[in-house]
Amino acid sequence: DQQVKQNSPSLSVQEGRISILNCDYTNSMFDYFLWYKKYPAEGPTFLISISSIKDKNEDGRFTVFLNKSAKHLSLHIVPSQPGDSAVYFCAASADPGGGADGLTFGKGTHLIIQP
Amino acid sequence: DAGVIQSPRHEVTEMGQEVTLRCKPISGHDYLFWYRQTMMRGLELLIYFNNNVPIDDSGMPEDRFSAKMPNASFSTLKIQPSEPRDSAVYFCASRTGGYGYTFGSGTRLTVV
Repeated sequence: DQQVKQNSPSLSVQEGRISILNCDYTNSMFDYFLWYKKYPAEGPTFLISISSIKDKNEDGRFTVFLNKSAKHLSLHIVPSQPGDSAVYFCAASADPGGGADGLTFGKGTHLIIQP
Repeated sequence: DAGVIQSPRHEVTEMGQEVTLRCKPISGHDYLFWYRQTMMRGLELLIYFNNNVPIDDSGMPEDRFSAKMPNASFSTLKIQPSEPRDSAVYFCASRTGGYGYTFGSGTRLTVV
């Protein structure tokens, strides 16, 4: 059973527009959430995170929103650029310190930015 | 800082053979994680170590899988005997404090 779900295997967005990637989770013990970005033939790289005590965290073009009551988070990328084309993984941890217990990942969403 | 180094990058082996995957974490990182990525199951945590001690191996799929960390700079994941369903990309990651997991580039294992 997947505790972290990314229901869209792929998403296509035009360059310059907003990309919204969604993630749902089932484990109410999760306290820390992260997004990773992965290019082909490389390992995932950390993008942005959010603690359960917040509902929004912003870093440049990237914003993560957390709705704890709905057990839902989303990643917004504005504006989308060609270099953003990659697979994006949502991850969660029950460790408020950020993952000392290992991260649980979703299956990923392949974001394609169209020129 | 060379990052997390995994070897080999690609491994093709015959069913029944022993396979050993290697990982060198970032110096000073006290956590090491082994993940497996497949289309069906995504990224799964297999096992992790803290200060070279295995903490949780509940993700290891079968007794055919074993992992060791003899010192702070080296870990191995061994599959013996290997089976075609073990074909996947295996990632190693290391961490110290915070949430800074650094992943290696992975080992793509194909068992034929």
